[in-house]
Amino acid sequence: KAGVTQTPRYLIKTRGQQVTLSCSPISGHRSVSWYQQTPGQGLQFLFEYFSETQRNKGNFPGRFSGRQFSNSRSEMNVSTLELGDSALYLCASSEEANYGYTFGSGTRLTVV
Amino acid sequence: DQQVKQNSPSLSVQEGRISILNCDYTNSMFDYFLWYKKYPAEGPTFLISISSIKDKNEDGRFTVFLNKSAKHLSLHIVPSQPGDSAVYFCAASAGNNDMRFGAGTRLTVKP
Repeated sequence: KAGVTQTPRYLIKTRGQQVTLSCSPISGHRSVSWYQQTPGQGLQFLFEYFSETQRNKGNFPGRFSGRQFSNSRSEMNVSTLELGDSALYLCASSEEANYGYTFGSGTRLTVV
Repeated sequence: DQQVKQNSPSLSVQEGRISILNCDYTNSMFDYFLWYKKYPAEGPTFLISISSIKDKNEDGRFTVFLNKSAKHLSLHIVPSQPGDSAVYFCAASAGNNDMRFGAGTRLTVKP
C-alpha cells in the first residue's frame, strides 16, 4: 500500500509569509500527527488529528495551525514565518492513536 | 521506503522484568540512532541515543545496544516499570541528513 505522502518535499519562503503543508495518510488511517524536527530541538510534537478533530496540541504558538479533512488528509499552516521555523516537518499516520505509526518523508521548509 | 523497521508492533512484560525493544535498519550509512518514547495524548520525547562509533550506551535503567554488522539496535529497560508503558520509536540518520523513524512498538508493563 502507498505510504504517507507529504507535499511539497522542499519549500523556501521569506520571513513574514505563510505556508501550507499537506499530508496524505495511508488509506484507512484516521489519525494524523505533525512534528517539527530541527538539529537543536530534535523532534517536537505539533498536533494530532483524528477523524477531523484536533485531539492533542503541542507547545507551539498560534501561528501554527492545522486541520484534517473528511478523507483524513491533513494540512498544517504556519503564518508570519520566522527564520526559526526552518525545519523538517514530519507527518505520521496510524489507524488508531498510539499504535503503528508510519512517517512520511517530510517537508523541508527553509525561511530566508 | 522503510529504512528503519520495528517488526514488533506491541510487547507486554511483567513489572520488574527486562523489556527488549528491537529495531532493524537497511541503510549502512546511518551513523546516529535514537529512541523516543511516546505516551498517549502526548508527543514523543527523546529517551536515549547512540552513535555508530559505540556499541552500547547506558542511562539508568535504559541501555541501547548497536550491532552494526547486523544493522540492528535494541533498547533494554531493566527493571521494567508500569510507567514505562508507552510507544517507543527507533530513529536513525546519516550525517546531517533527515532522520528516519520506525513504526513504533507499544510496550505494556503489567504490575
